[in-house]
Amino acid sequence: TQLLEQSPQFLSIQEGENLTVYCNSSSVFSSLQWYRQEPGEGPVLLVTVVTGGEVKKLKRLTFQFGDARKDSSLHITAAQPGDTGLYLCAGEGGATNKLIFGTGTLLAVQP
Amino acid sequence: GAGVSQSPSNKVTEKGKDVELRCDPISGHTALYWYRQRLGQGLEFLIYFQGNSAPDKSGLPSDRFSAERTGESVSTLTIQRTQQEDSAVYLCASSLSSQYTGELFFGEGSRLTVL
Repeated sequence: TQLLEQSPQFLSIQEGENLTVYCNSSSVFSSLQWYRQEPGEGPVLLVTVVTGGEVKKLKRLTFQFGDARKDSSLHITAAQPGDTGLYLCAGEGGATNKLIFGTGTLLAVQP
Repeated sequence: GAGVSQSPSNKVTEKGKDVELRCDPISGHTALYWYRQRLGQGLEFLIYFQGNSAPDKSGLPSDRFSAERTGESVSTLTIQRTQQEDSAVYLCASSLSSQYTGELFFGEGSRLTVL
């Protein structure tokens, strides 16, 4: 069974602080995605990483895929209240290519 | 409607009743997924369709849960003899293709409350 563990589970920080969210697994994934979900809505894709060691930047967000394609991190610089939400990593793998989601990190950025 | 549409948005039912949740994916999307999400938690995979077939239904929690898809379009998730632990948000997503898992487009979910 493929599992994706995210840490921390909850994070409450002040506006302007930096933070990192981790997504770890013992399984290898062919690709990994990060989504953000706001209350009452479905998750929305932020980025997809495919190559081991790949780093992608999206404004103040930096995503990295581990060299072995088993883990990933999301770093947010100078967090803003608009970054508040549930961050979910999701890995593609297995015989049927289904997308397995992580346990989620709930981020609250206080103004 | 260009997005994924789910209905009902909210459903309150009594324990033991059957419920049916509907998903209208984005037109032309061949892959369709159902996930379950408990409050503030990640998404639990239930079942995945490629066209009208379900190559992976390994996430269905019990034989009370079933799903079908017709016309490579609408999908229905049915929960029979609902239990309180079935209370959750049920999310549907569609994707252009499952050969390479591209972006999943999610609906807003159906919130199920079993009293």
